[in-house]
Amino acid sequence: KNQVEQSPQSLIILEGKNCTLQCNYTVSPFSNLRWYKQDTGRGPVSLTIMTFSENTKSNGRYTATLDADTKQSSLHITASQLSDSASYICVVSSILTGGGNKLTFGTGTQLKVEL
Amino acid sequence: DGGITQSPKYLFRKEGQNVTLSCEQNLNHDAMYWYRQDPGQGLRLIYYSQIVNDFQKGDIAEGYSVSREKKESFPLTVTSAQKNPTAFYLCASRRIAGGPADTQYFGPGTRLTVL
Repeated sequence: KNQVEQSPQSLIILEGKNCTLQCNYTVSPFSNLRWYKQDTGRGPVSLTIMTFSENTKSNGRYTATLDADTKQSSLHITASQLSDSASYICVVSSILTGGGNKLTFGTGTQLKVEL
Repeated sequence: DGGITQSPKYLFRKEGQNVTLSCEQNLNHDAMYWYRQDPGQGLRLIYYSQIVNDFQKGDIAEGYSVSREKKESFPLTVTSAQKNPTAFYLCASRRIAGGPADTQYFGPGTRLTVL
């Protein structure tokens, strides 16, 4: 069964500090992995996407890593800001037999950045 | 939210009533999706459509129905057969031509509450 597990479930950090969110997956066959940011009451917004051959991808203060051998990914946020407070969702795409793809969503890490 | 609109933002329904959630996109995307989000769970796929007048059941289609009469519109009806309809509903769309790496763009969501 395809699964995506994220840790920690929630995290509180002080503004300006760095943090790292984890994602472990058991999705096969693997196509790509994305990190989404979801503000409360809003739709998710894509931050990064990585395919099998990529092991790091940056988007401003967000840096995602991927280890396809251990099936682990991380999202590192540097110099956090109050606006980083949101849920961060790891999403793994697998290719379906006959074409198309299926997304498996993690439950998210709820990040709160405080003054 | 990138060119995808959902309405209404909040919806209240009495038990036994059907309600229809609207989703419109002006991105000229081929595929559209409906997800349900519950606290502590990852997004779950309800229905998806890759072409006009065709749609497929997702993982939790029971109690829901959809139509795809126009490329830009993919309304979701929550019927009285859905036993636990209170949730946050997200619509998404994506371009198919780019393959599995093409991003799903999400709308702002509709929060449905059954009274």
